[in-house]
Amino acid sequence: KAGVTQTPRYLIKTRGQQVTLSCSPISGHRSVSWYQQTPGQGLQFLFEYFSETQRNKGNFPGRFSGRQFSNSRSEMNVSTLELGDSALYLCASSLIQGQVGELFFGEGSRLTVL
Amino acid sequence: AQKVTQAQTEISVVEKEDVTLDCVYETRDTTYYLFWYKQPPSGELVFLIRRNSFDEQNEISGRYSWNFQKSTSSFNFTITASQVVDSAVYFCALSEANSGYALNFGKGTSLLVTP
Repeated sequence: KAGVTQTPRYLIKTRGQQVTLSCSPISGHRSVSWYQQTPGQGLQFLFEYFSETQRNKGNFPGRFSGRQFSNSRSEMNVSTLELGDSALYLCASSLIQGQVGELFFGEGSRLTVL
Repeated sequence: AQKVTQAQTEISVVEKEDVTLDCVYETRDTTYYLFWYKQPPSGELVFLIRRNSFDEQNEISGRYSWNFQKSTSSFNFTITASQVVDSAVYFCALSEANSGYALNFGKGTSLLVTP
């Protein structure tokens, strides 16, 4: 069974640009969550999507957005990039809504903002 | 306020030593879930265990064991006879109704096991 796939794995952007990251969950999983990991702040919850609807959102500015498609694949977008957005962005999928069960994580997309 | 505290930032042990990773949490909910995840150098987080607030039974899985104590709000993780492959960053996390059951992670403990 294929795991969670995130693309691209690495990318470099400059301040002011925007970026879109993609996540393909495990087949059959309808919940997709996104996390930002930085050395300073650690792992922080961005948002969760279940059946194409955003079910929960963390404390991030509106520049961070996401969506989920009918096949459960998800994308997250960051607009007007800032240096502080440099991070590892992790996607996780699960069978049920809410992070009360086992989450399956991808290897992440490492974003560097110059 | 920090919901999950992992006071040990880095731990270094020699292979075959036992090591305990501490986790202290804070919540006002009566129903909540506690987790441990392992993050190897490749980056993906790997689920190790989940405990709900009504199940204080300790659990053992091979060389891994977990001690959940509501009285001290702790959920500690012990690796017995550590191996080099155990080297990773370990995260404790809390999921509670107050946050819509989003995972709130601790800062992690980096474990280095040397031969």
